[in-house]
Amino acid sequence: RKEVEQDPGPFNVPEGATVAFNCTYSNSASQSFFWYRQDCRKEPKLLMSVYSSGNEDGRFTAQLNRASQYISLLIRDSKLSDSATYLCVVNGGGSYIPTFGRGTSLIVHP
Amino acid sequence: GAVVSQHPSWVICKSGTSVKIECRSLDFQATTMFWYRQFPKQSLMLMATSNEGSKATYEQGVEKDKFLINHASLTLSTLTVTSAHPEDSSFYICSASPFSGGGGRSTDTQYFGPGTRLTVL
Repeated sequence: RKEVEQDPGPFNVPEGATVAFNCTYSNSASQSFFWYRQDCRKEPKLLMSVYSSGNEDGRFTAQLNRASQYISLLIRDSKLSDSATYLCVVNGGGSYIPTFGRGTSLIVHP
Repeated sequence: GAVVSQHPSWVICKSGTSVKIECRSLDFQATTMFWYRQFPKQSLMLMATSNEGSKATYEQGVEKDKFLINHASLTLSTLTVTSAHPEDSSFYICSASPFSGGGGRSTDTQYFGPGTRLTVL
């Protein structure tokens, strides 16, 4: 089993839709969780950290479920500019090396 | 947010030459930096962990003699691709984390450089 797993997609949604991605992790001792966004031929950029209490930033909401060992990202009112690959990153649990998921591709169409 | 720069942003070289890529943390100190490689339509692959003042730690399958890493200061790590070949053509990205030493969520947030696109002819 991979350490961090994501559905590669692509998720193809119309503008204005709500879309959610999940990311599962295998190391129960993991401590830090992040969502990054990567545009084509660009570097990943931090979208948001994921806290135990969950957090929200505008149209984006991230949740952590430790019991089931997954994190989620919810995007409301999708925009064309949200089209990108969303990377899940898990850190800690005995290692300071961040572990990346393979990414979930989102395509928002008019 | 923290800023990481990379230089050069792209490079084209002949097979057999060596290419050096610099990664700098501009507004914070980083005892650890990470080097990744990404082939088209594939995920990021961690190559090595660069530790300031000590040897880098390479991931399995990455040749340490081919990909030389030097982390001479708390703000600079370099990756040298020696005797580059066409199969080394890729997008090389570094990342760094502000290290406060006091724990907390932000200490392991990764900030990425803009990447270096290497093409070996």
